[in-house]
Amino acid sequence: EPEVTQTPSHQVTQMGQEVILRCVPISNHLYFYWYRQILGQKVEFLVSFYNNEISEKSEIFDDQFSVERPDGSNFTLKIRSTKLEDSAMYFCASVQGASGEQYFGPGTRLTVT
Amino acid sequence: SQQGEEDPQALSIQEGENATMNCSYKTSINNLQWYRQNSGRGLVHLILIRSNEREKHSGRLRVTLDTSKKSSSLLITASRAADTASYFCATDRKIPRLTFGEGTQLTVNP
Repeated sequence: EPEVTQTPSHQVTQMGQEVILRCVPISNHLYFYWYRQILGQKVEFLVSFYNNEISEKSEIFDDQFSVERPDGSNFTLKIRSTKLEDSAMYFCASVQGASGEQYFGPGTRLTVT
Repeated sequence: SQQGEEDPQALSIQEGENATMNCSYKTSINNLQWYRQNSGRGLVHLILIRSNEREKHSGRLRVTLDTSKKSSSLLITASRAADTASYFCATDRKIPRLTFGEGTQLTVNP
């Protein structure tokens, strides 16, 4: 069964450093998402991406964040200058159509020290 | 206001019993989905119910949706120890971003 994959599974970085989290969505899916989950809290929407552009972003997704689909398979989330409060699990998700089951990757645990 | 609030926050039952978790939401929705998350792991999609559906089954899972009360329930029948996890409901509207609730932590004791 096709699945969403994410790398790395765990990233440790120092405050102020740039990180890039990578995702490979399911190949025939058209809508892509990033969510995050701070430890012990609920999953929060960050950004959605369709047709090579951001379709919606939350208030969390400020200028420090950016997303790209550099080729036909990868979908990346970049945090330019990490802060301690960026420490969280980051989940990528994809969905085939505009409305349907969102398939989530296993997540990347980001630890900012 | 919170969209997608589950209750109870925690539920502990014995293996073989049924587990019922509830979810309430505040705005109109397109779909409501239930997800499961094992501790520190990813989210596994369980079931999706559309706003024009009232009930849906998948194996040991039964989901109901009452749009007049803006609520949904997830029933897991004949629970197993392996069902121990956090369960989240998530809603989407015309724009397909998911809004998650706080989750219910289910513990199934062997």
